[in-house]
Amino acid sequence: RKEVEQDPGPFNVPEGATVAFNCTYSNSASQSFFWYRQDCRKEPKLLMSVYSSGNEDGRFTAQLNRASQYISLLIRDSKLSDSATYLCVVRRGSQGNLIFGKGTKLSVKP
Amino acid sequence: DAGITQSPRHKVTETGTPVTLRCHQTENHRYMYWYRQDPGHGLRLIHYSYGVKDTDKGEVSDGYSVSRSKTEDFLLTLESATSSQTSVYFCAISELGTSGSYEQFFGPGTRLTVL
Repeated sequence: RKEVEQDPGPFNVPEGATVAFNCTYSNSASQSFFWYRQDCRKEPKLLMSVYSSGNEDGRFTAQLNRASQYISLLIRDSKLSDSATYLCVVRRGSQGNLIFGKGTKLSVKP
Repeated sequence: DAGITQSPRHKVTETGTPVTLRCHQTENHRYMYWYRQDPGHGLRLIHYSYGVKDTDKGEVSDGYSVSRSKTEDFLLTLESATSSQTSVYFCAISELGTSGSYEQFFGPGTRLTVL
């Protein structure tokens, strides 16, 4: 079993839609959780860290369920500019290396 | 902007030749990382550094070596390049984020093709 698993998509949604991405991780020792976005042929960029209590940043909401080892990302009111690949990432320890999922591709259409 | 640059940005080389990729940062970060990204795989850690002359192996370190003789530069060397090392290579730094946990930020990447 892969350490971090995501639905690869693609998710094709119209502008204004709400879309949810899910991610599961297998190592219960994972301590930190992140969502990154990656545009085609670009570097991954940190979208948001995921807090135990869940957190929101504008149209983006991240949730963590440690008991189920599950992370989610909700995007409301999708924009064309949200089209990208979303990477679920976990880390063991404060400075341990990041473990990346393969990513979920989102395409927002007019 | 985490102040990370990578050079070269693109390189084509032949099997068996040595290749060195450079990562340069301007903000005195202690931790630096080299990842590779391939279709069908998530980013995978090659090597990382936790200070000058302090380095350690990652998940896919075979065929690669690194050096860090000064804080701002982290070099990745392919001693004898093979076609399986054709990939996109990303450098990253780690810094304490507003969340209270360390967050990693990536350079623009180097596209390496080994013929």
